[in-house]
Amino acid sequence: EVQILESGGGLVQPGGSLTLSCAASGFRFSSFAMTWVRQAPGMGLQWVSTITASGGTTFYADSARGRFTISRDNSKSTLYLHMNSPRAGDTAIYYCAKGVDPHVPDWFDSWGQGTLVTVAS
Amino acid sequence: DFVLTQSPDSLAVSLGERATIDCKSSQSVLYSSNNKNYLAWYQQKPGQSPKLLIYWASTRESGVPDRFSGSGSGTDFTLTISSLQAEDVAVYYCQQYFSSPITFGQGTRLEIK
Repeated sequence: EVQILESGGGLVQPGGSLTLSCAASGFRFSSFAMTWVRQAPGMGLQWVSTITASGGTTFYADSARGRFTISRDNSKSTLYLHMNSPRAGDTAIYYCAKGVDPHVPDWFDSWGQGTLVTVAS
Repeated sequence: DFVLTQSPDSLAVSLGERATIDCKSSQSVLYSSNNKNYLAWYQQKPGQSPKLLIYWASTRESGVPDRFSGSGSGTDFTLTISSLQAEDVAVYYCQQYFSSPITFGQGTRLEIK
């Protein structure tokens, strides 16, 4: 059974930093691209970033590029999102989602329960 | 960027009746070389994470009840629930994966009338 568990969310001050983690099990983690999708309170889904299975290529939304860094440790079956200089607009539930292809962000067939990030002073 | 516009924003349907949700893309998501539409549908129940229903516009994910179906091509797509059940109350999203950045529709809230 596929299991995806995010952690690391919480309250962070604007201009600070925070790293989210996503521990995966039940599938060959190193064979699939992985993605972060966020959802602001009461709002819809917004794609944030994707990393290919090997970790060699990353994709970012304009809102994340230059501030967020996605990475993965295939030996630990763990995905990360380092958030640098977050803003109030980054307040959201951050979901980790499994892709179906190793190289490109396609659809997402498994999602974690999400971790809430609140950016406020 | 590909903009996906769903209609309606909210919908109330009686139990056992048909529910239809439309998704219109600002650009075609049909890839001519393989004749596939790069569009997926998700269901998000209150307090839960999204769940994949449909990919390639019309392929049902394993385990999804057959009352859920997807149709359409190019820029216009539809998610149909043939006979609404109480457990189908949720927000439904379409998503395109034809081009980066991946984008989602704004969501359609489905309720029981």
